Amino acid sequence: GIQVEQSPPDLILQEGANSTLRCNFSDSVNNLQWFHQNPWGQLINLFYIPSGTKQNGRLSATTVATERYSLLYISSSQTTDSGVYFCAAPPAGGYQKVTFGIGTKLQVIP
Amino acid sequence: NAGVTQTPKFQVLKTGQSMTLQCAQDMNHNSMYWYRQDPGMGLRLIYYSASEGTTDKGEVPNGYNVSRLNKREFSLRLESAAPSQTSVYFCASSVGGLTEAFFGQGTRLTVV
Repeated sequence: GIQVEQSPPDLILQEGANSTLRCNFSDSVNNLQWFHQNPWGQLINLFYIPSGTKQNGRLSATTVATERYSLLYISSSQTTDSGVYFCAAPPAGGYQKVTFGIGTKLQVIP
Repeated sequence: NAGVTQTPKFQVLKTGQSMTLQCAQDMNHNSMYWYRQDPGMGLRLIYYSASEGTTDKGEVPNGYNVSRLNKREFSLRLESAAPSQTSVYFCASSVGGLTEAFFGQGTRLTVV
């Protein structure tokens, strides 16, 4: 099946700093999602981004499907951004067999 | 709009006991999923249902059964719980197989 790798595995930021999280996938994908799991365990949808760039406030994401990667940008980080960020994708033709990366654990300190 | 609702939120079982995790969605989605999350392993797909009346195995189906009761509800059953099934379980739904998925709040299950 498809392999999804995320980097870095851990990240500590000072409040106000910017960061880039990366998601590489081993095969062609038909969609890609980014999630934020907050410290209470809730999974929050950030982006559904099969290709191109989307922005939502301080967060933006870019997927380059032909090069098999996606990036999540967090600008002016806040302590509420802490948690684990996951990307998830099904392989092309792999209907519904979505594979998750193991996540990037982000800690934003005041 | 409640989205995806899971019950219970927490459960402790003894080895060998059985239980059913319930999931319901009110978004008129066709596809529903069960995942488990273990430390350091991300989320792994247990079973999914492409549409009402169909179910299929995911990556880690052993020890579980599922029922797609109707379009709204998708349950996960542990017939004889084992300590290895201690995990956080998430239900999710989407319009179709390749569309955006939405997750419930999770069920934290401990098997002792």
